[in-house]
Amino acid sequence: GEDVEQSLFLSVREGDSSVINCTYTDSSSTYLYWYKQEPGAGLQLLTYIFSNMDMKQDQRLTVLLNKKDKHLSLRIADTQTGDSAIYFCAESFYGGSQGNLIFGKGTKLSVKP
Amino acid sequence: EAGVAQSPRYKIIEKRQSVAFWCNPISGHATLYWYQQILGQGPKLLIQFQNNGVVDDSQLPKDRFSAERLKGVDSTLKIQPAKLEDSAVYLCASSSQTSGRARGDEQFFGPGTRLTVL
Repeated sequence: GEDVEQSLFLSVREGDSSVINCTYTDSSSTYLYWYKQEPGAGLQLLTYIFSNMDMKQDQRLTVLLNKKDKHLSLRIADTQTGDSAIYFCAESFYGGSQGNLIFGKGTKLSVKP
Repeated sequence: EAGVAQSPRYKIIEKRQSVAFWCNPISGHATLYWYQQILGQGPKLLIQFQNNGVVDDSQLPKDRFSAERLKGVDSTLKIQPAKLEDSAVYLCASSSQTSGRARGDEQFFGPGTRLTVL
C-alpha cells in the first residue's frame, strides 16, 4: 500500500541547517515532492525530485533521495524565522490516477531567533 | 497569474446540515483536485477531474459527498448531510498537466475552506 511517514516536529535555531526526513513505502512512485504550508494558507510547492535522481539542489534547499531505503530528506540551509511552517512530503505515481499525491502528516518546523 | 480561488474561507454548520464549497482553478488548467485535510494530517485526495470528467473518486464518501465541474472550469464540492468527522480544511488544487513527465505534475493549491461541524 501507499504510506508516507514523517517526524511531526523539528526545532532549530535561526542560521542553523534544518533536515526534515520522510520515508515512503511504494517503490513505484515516480516523483517525490516537498510542500510548505504556512498558517491559514494553502500548500506551496517547494521542490520535487524525479525518482531516478539522488540529489537536487535549489538555492537553500537540498533534496536527497535514497531509493533503496525509500528515504527522502529536505535540508534547508541558513534557516530563517520565515521558514517556520509545516513541511509535507508527498509522492505521486503515473498510472491509473495521474498526479494523485499521497501526503505525509507533515513536519512542523519551528525556528527560534 | 491569478492563483486558485476558493470560497468561502470559513464555514460553521451543525451536523446534518448541508454545505457547498466553490473552487476556481488557474485559467487553462485542465485538472482539478479536491483534498480533505483533517487537523494534524496531510491532505487526502477526495476527487480528481480532468476537464469535466472524473478521473478518480475512489476516496470520496459518495453517500454524502458530491462534486461537479461544469464546463470543465469551476467546481463545487457538496456535503449533505454533514457529520462531525467532516470538520476539516477542504483544499482545491489545479494542474495543467501540459509539462508532462519531464517536470512532474505540479499542483497549485488554493487557500482552502475551513469547515467546522458542530
